[in-house]
Amino acid sequence: KNEVEQSPQNLTAQEGEFITINCSYSVGISALHWLQQHPGGGIVSLFMLSSGKKKHGRLIATINIQEKHSSLHITASHPRDSAVYICAVYNTDKLIFGTGTRLQVFP
Amino acid sequence: NAGVMQNPRHLVRRRGQEARLRCSPMKGHSHVYWYRQLPEEGLKFMVYLQKENIIDESGMPKERFSAEFPKEGPSILRIQQVVRGDSAAYFCASSPRGGRNNEQFFGPGTRLTVL
Repeated sequence: KNEVEQSPQNLTAQEGEFITINCSYSVGISALHWLQQHPGGGIVSLFMLSSGKKKHGRLIATINIQEKHSSLHITASHPRDSAVYICAVYNTDKLIFGTGTRLQVFP
Repeated sequence: NAGVMQNPRHLVRRRGQEARLRCSPMKGHSHVYWYRQLPEEGLKFMVYLQKENIIDESGMPKERFSAEFPKEGPSILRIQQVVRGDSAAYFCASSPRGGRNNEQFFGPGTRLTVL
Protein backbone atom coordinates (compact mmCIF):
# COMPACT_ATOMS: atom_id res chain seq x y z
CA LYS A 1 0.00 0.00 0.00
CA ASN A 2 1.31 3.43 -0.94
CA GLU A 3 2.06 5.83 1.88
CA VAL A 4 0.16 8.56 -0.01
CA GLU A 5 -3.08 7.64 -1.75
CA GLN A 6 -5.09 9.88 -4.03
CA SER A 7 -8.63 9.53 -5.28
CA PRO A 8 -9.96 9.45 -7.82
CA GLN A 9 -7.19 8.38 -10.20
CA ASN A 10 -9.03 9.87 -13.16
CA LEU A 11 -11.67 12.54 -13.21
CA THR A 12 -13.64 14.13 -16.02
CA ALA A 13 -15.84 17.17 -15.60
CA GLN A 14 -17.83 19.69 -17.58
CA GLU A 15 -16.67 23.26 -17.56
CA GLY A 16 -18.05 25.07 -14.55
CA GLU A 17 -18.30 22.04 -12.28
CA PHE A 18 -16.93 21.96 -8.75
CA ILE A 19 -14.03 19.50 -8.48
CA THR A 20 -12.71 17.69 -5.41
CA ILE A 21 -9.53 15.62 -5.30
CA ASN A 22 -8.68 13.70 -2.15
CA CYS A 23 -5.38 12.72 -0.57
CA SER A 24 -4.88 10.35 2.37
CA TYR A 25 -1.54 9.50 3.92
CA SER A 26 -0.34 6.95 6.43
CA VAL A 27 2.94 8.51 7.62
CA GLY A 28 3.63 11.31 10.03
CA ILE A 29 4.02 14.56 8.17
CA SER A 30 5.00 18.12 8.84
CA ALA A 31 3.44 19.66 5.74
CA LEU A 32 1.70 18.76 2.49
CA HIS A 33 2.15 20.03 -1.06
CA TRP A 34 -0.41 20.12 -3.84
CA LEU A 35 1.29 20.17 -7.23
CA GLN A 36 0.05 20.52 -10.81
CA GLN A 37 1.64 18.83 -13.81
CA HIS A 38 0.54 19.48 -17.38
CA PRO A 39 1.10 16.77 -20.02
CA GLY A 40 4.75 16.73 -21.02
CA GLY A 41 5.29 19.73 -18.83
CA GLY A 42 6.87 20.75 -15.63
CA ILE A 43 5.53 20.76 -12.12
CA VAL A 44 4.02 23.78 -10.45
CA SER A 45 3.53 24.08 -6.73
CA LEU A 46 -0.03 25.13 -5.97
CA PHE A 47 -0.08 25.03 -2.17
CA MET A 48 1.97 24.03 0.79
CA LEU A 49 0.00 23.69 4.01
CA SER A 50 0.35 22.16 7.43
CA SER A 51 -3.04 23.02 8.93
CA GLY A 52 -6.42 24.45 8.08
CA LYS A 53 -7.22 25.85 4.69
CA LYS A 54 -5.62 27.94 1.94
CA LYS A 55 -7.26 29.64 -1.03
CA HIS A 56 -5.75 30.96 -4.24
CA GLY A 57 -8.13 32.13 -6.91
CA ARG A 58 -10.45 29.24 -7.77
CA LEU A 59 -8.35 26.72 -5.86
CA ILE A 60 -8.89 25.77 -2.24
CA ALA A 61 -6.82 23.28 -0.26
CA THR A 62 -7.73 21.89 3.15
CA ILE A 63 -5.94 19.55 5.49
CA ASN A 64 -7.04 17.58 8.55
CA ILE A 65 -3.93 16.44 10.38
CA GLN A 66 -5.83 14.22 12.84
CA GLU A 67 -7.56 12.35 10.02
CA LYS A 68 -4.46 12.37 7.79
CA HIS A 69 -6.45 13.72 4.89
CA SER A 70 -6.29 16.66 2.52
CA SER A 71 -8.56 17.86 -0.26
CA LEU A 72 -8.01 20.09 -3.26
CA HIS A 73 -11.08 21.84 -4.59
CA ILE A 74 -11.45 23.68 -7.88
CA THR A 75 -14.46 25.94 -8.20
CA ALA A 76 -15.92 26.85 -11.61
CA SER A 77 -13.58 24.44 -13.42
CA HIS A 78 -12.19 25.39 -16.81
CA PRO A 79 -10.58 23.33 -19.60
CA ARG A 80 -7.23 24.94 -18.78
CA ASP A 81 -7.42 23.21 -15.38
CA SER A 82 -6.91 19.89 -17.20
CA ALA A 83 -3.73 18.44 -15.73
CA VAL A 84 -2.44 15.86 -13.27
CA TYR A 85 -2.76 16.97 -9.65
CA ILE A 86 -0.25 15.47 -7.26
CA CYS A 87 -0.33 15.37 -3.49
CA ALA A 88 3.05 15.15 -1.75
CA VAL A 89 3.83 15.00 1.96
CA TYR A 90 6.92 16.01 3.87
CA ASN A 91 8.24 13.07 5.82
CA THR A 92 11.52 14.11 7.47
CA ASP A 93 13.24 16.17 4.77
CA LYS A 94 11.83 14.22 1.85
CA LEU A 95 8.67 14.52 -0.19
CA ILE A 96 6.61 11.36 -0.67
CA PHE A 97 4.29 11.62 -3.64
CA GLY A 98 0.90 10.24 -4.49
CA THR A 99 0.43 8.80 -7.96
CA GLY A 100 -1.65 11.75 -9.08
CA THR A 101 -5.18 12.46 -10.22
CA ARG A 102 -5.65 13.06 -13.94
CA LEU A 103 -8.30 15.73 -14.47
CA GLN A 104 -9.93 16.51 -17.80
CA VAL A 105 -12.37 19.39 -18.02
CA PHE A 106 -14.47 19.55 -21.18
CA PRO A 107 -16.04 22.72 -22.58
CA ASN B 1 14.00 36.11 -10.94
CA ALA B 2 14.32 33.05 -13.13
CA GLY B 3 12.84 29.83 -11.87
CA VAL B 4 14.60 26.52 -11.54
CA MET B 5 16.31 25.65 -14.80
CA GLN B 6 17.12 22.22 -16.10
CA ASN B 7 18.99 21.19 -19.20
CA PRO B 8 18.78 19.51 -21.47
CA ARG B 9 15.00 19.26 -21.62
CA HIS B 10 15.25 16.09 -23.69
CA LEU B 11 18.18 13.69 -23.80
CA VAL B 12 18.56 10.57 -25.89
CA ARG B 13 21.28 8.06 -25.08
CA ARG B 14 22.14 4.59 -26.26
CA ARG B 15 22.58 1.80 -23.77
CA GLY B 16 25.99 1.99 -22.12
CA GLN B 17 26.47 5.73 -22.61
CA GLU B 18 26.58 8.33 -19.87
CA ALA B 19 23.84 10.86 -19.16
CA ARG B 20 24.48 14.18 -17.42
CA LEU B 21 21.52 16.19 -16.25
CA ARG B 22 21.95 19.75 -15.01
CA CYS B 23 19.90 21.77 -12.57
CA SER B 24 20.36 25.44 -11.76
CA PRO B 25 18.36 26.35 -8.65
CA MET B 26 16.50 29.58 -8.18
CA LYS B 27 18.66 32.53 -7.19
CA GLY B 28 19.35 32.44 -3.49
CA HIS B 29 18.45 28.74 -3.14
CA SER B 30 21.19 26.51 -1.80
CA HIS B 31 19.19 23.29 -1.42
CA VAL B 32 18.51 21.00 -4.37
CA TYR B 33 16.41 17.84 -4.62
CA TRP B 34 16.31 15.35 -7.50
CA TYR B 35 13.25 13.24 -8.29
CA ARG B 36 12.55 10.59 -10.91
CA GLN B 37 9.24 9.92 -12.59
CA LEU B 38 9.11 6.59 -14.40
CA PRO B 39 6.51 6.19 -17.18
CA GLU B 40 3.03 5.83 -15.70
CA GLU B 41 4.40 6.05 -12.15
CA GLY B 42 4.56 8.71 -9.48
CA LEU B 43 7.52 10.85 -8.56
CA LYS B 44 10.16 9.29 -6.33
CA PHE B 45 12.79 11.05 -4.25
CA MET B 46 16.37 10.37 -5.28
CA VAL B 47 18.77 12.72 -3.52
CA TYR B 48 18.93 15.93 -1.49
CA LEU B 49 22.00 18.17 -1.72
CA GLN B 50 23.19 21.36 -0.21
CA LYS B 51 26.12 23.26 -1.67
CA GLU B 52 29.07 20.82 -1.77
CA ASN B 53 27.27 18.30 0.47
CA ILE B 54 25.01 15.31 -0.06
CA ILE B 55 22.46 15.44 2.74
CA ASP B 56 20.32 12.41 1.88
CA GLU B 57 20.87 9.97 -0.97
CA SER B 58 18.58 7.23 0.29
CA GLY B 59 16.58 7.21 -2.95
CA MET B 60 19.54 6.84 -5.28
CA PRO B 61 20.21 3.48 -6.93
CA LYS B 62 23.37 2.05 -5.43
CA GLU B 63 25.20 1.73 -8.73
CA ARG B 64 25.73 3.96 -11.77
CA PHE B 65 24.01 7.03 -10.29
CA SER B 66 25.77 9.96 -8.65
CA ALA B 67 24.94 13.57 -7.86
CA GLU B 68 26.88 16.66 -6.96
CA PHE B 69 26.20 20.30 -6.21
CA PRO B 70 29.51 22.17 -6.40
CA LYS B 71 30.23 25.53 -4.83
CA GLU B 72 29.99 27.14 -8.26
CA GLY B 73 27.73 25.98 -11.04
CA PRO B 74 24.68 23.79 -11.36
CA SER B 75 23.84 20.55 -9.65
CA ILE B 76 24.61 17.52 -11.81
CA LEU B 77 22.87 14.15 -11.81
CA ARG B 78 25.09 11.65 -13.56
CA ILE B 79 23.99 8.24 -14.81
CA GLN B 80 26.74 5.98 -16.06
CA GLN B 81 26.21 3.08 -18.47
CA VAL B 82 22.54 3.86 -18.96
CA VAL B 83 20.03 1.06 -19.44
CA ARG B 84 16.50 1.15 -20.89
CA GLY B 85 15.02 1.17 -17.41
CA ASP B 86 16.62 4.57 -16.78
CA SER B 87 14.24 6.15 -19.29
CA ALA B 88 12.20 8.58 -17.23
CA ALA B 89 11.60 12.23 -16.48
CA TYR B 90 14.05 13.64 -13.97
CA PHE B 91 12.97 16.69 -12.03
CA CYS B 92 14.95 18.85 -9.72
CA ALA B 93 13.56 21.24 -7.15
CA SER B 94 15.19 23.91 -5.04
CA SER B 95 14.42 25.65 -1.78
CA PRO B 96 16.06 28.53 0.05
CA ARG B 97 16.41 26.52 3.24
CA GLY B 98 16.56 22.85 4.00
CA GLY B 99 14.60 20.75 6.38
CA ARG B 100 10.91 20.34 6.76
CA ASN B 101 8.22 22.67 5.61
CA ASN B 102 10.25 24.62 3.09
CA GLU B 103 8.38 24.97 -0.15
CA GLN B 104 10.18 23.41 -3.06
CA PHE B 105 10.13 24.96 -6.52
CA PHE B 106 10.36 22.54 -9.42
CA GLY B 107 12.20 22.75 -12.71
CA PRO B 108 10.69 21.73 -16.07
CA GLY B 109 12.37 18.33 -16.01
CA THR B 110 14.72 16.43 -18.28
CA ARG B 111 13.18 13.61 -20.25
CA LEU B 112 15.74 10.86 -20.75
CA THR B 113 15.19 8.25 -23.40
CA VAL B 114 17.54 5.29 -23.58
CA LEU B 115 17.54 3.46 -26.90
